[in-house]
Amino acid sequence: RKEVEQDPGPFNVPEGATVAFNCTYSNSASQSFFWYRQDCRKEPKLLMSVYSSGNEDGRFTAQLNRASQYISLLIRDSKLSDSATYLCVVIQNTGGFKTIFGAGTRLFVKA
Amino acid sequence: SAVISQKPSRDICQRGTSLTIQCQVDSQVTMMFWYRQQPGQSLTLIATANQGSEATYESGFVIDKFPISRPNLTFSTLTVSNMSPEDSSIYLCSVEVWTANNEQFFGPGTRLTVL
Repeated sequence: RKEVEQDPGPFNVPEGATVAFNCTYSNSASQSFFWYRQDCRKEPKLLMSVYSSGNEDGRFTAQLNRASQYISLLIRDSKLSDSATYLCVVIQNTGGFKTIFGAGTRLFVKA
Repeated sequence: SAVISQKPSRDICQRGTSLTIQCQVDSQVTMMFWYRQQPGQSLTLIATANQGSEATYESGFVIDKFPISRPNLTFSTLTVSNMSPEDSSIYLCSVEVWTANNEQFFGPGTRLTVL
């Protein structure tokens, strides 16, 4: 089983749609969680951190459920510019910090 | 934040040759990381480049194949040695900035094709 698993995608949605991505992690020693965005042929960039209390940044909402070891990202009112690959990222503390990247979920937003 | 540059941005190499990728950061950082991202895949950590000591390699990666240098706190190199087509990938340099987000910043990547 992969340490971080994401919806395989791709997601094809029309502009204005709401889309949700899911991510699960296997190691309970995971302590920090993030969503990164990677545009085609570009490097990943931090989209937002994920906190236990949930957090929102404009049209983006991230949720963390530690009991279920589950992270989500909700995008409301999708824009064409949201088309990208979204990477779930987990930092484990197992005697040292280790960053694990999910395989990513590809999103296509169409007009 | 951190601004990272990598050279070369891309290269096409012959089997059996070696390529050295350079990574330059605009500020001093303790740890630098080298990742590989194969087409359609996520990032796989190759090694952590430590200043003043040998790099720490992840399982499946060895120093003879991927020698790393870290001469100072703003620069590192990764060499892909004795290349084969299976080494064709994007190689990314990264640094971690200890802010409230512990954000990782990535270089633009080096796209390597081995014929």
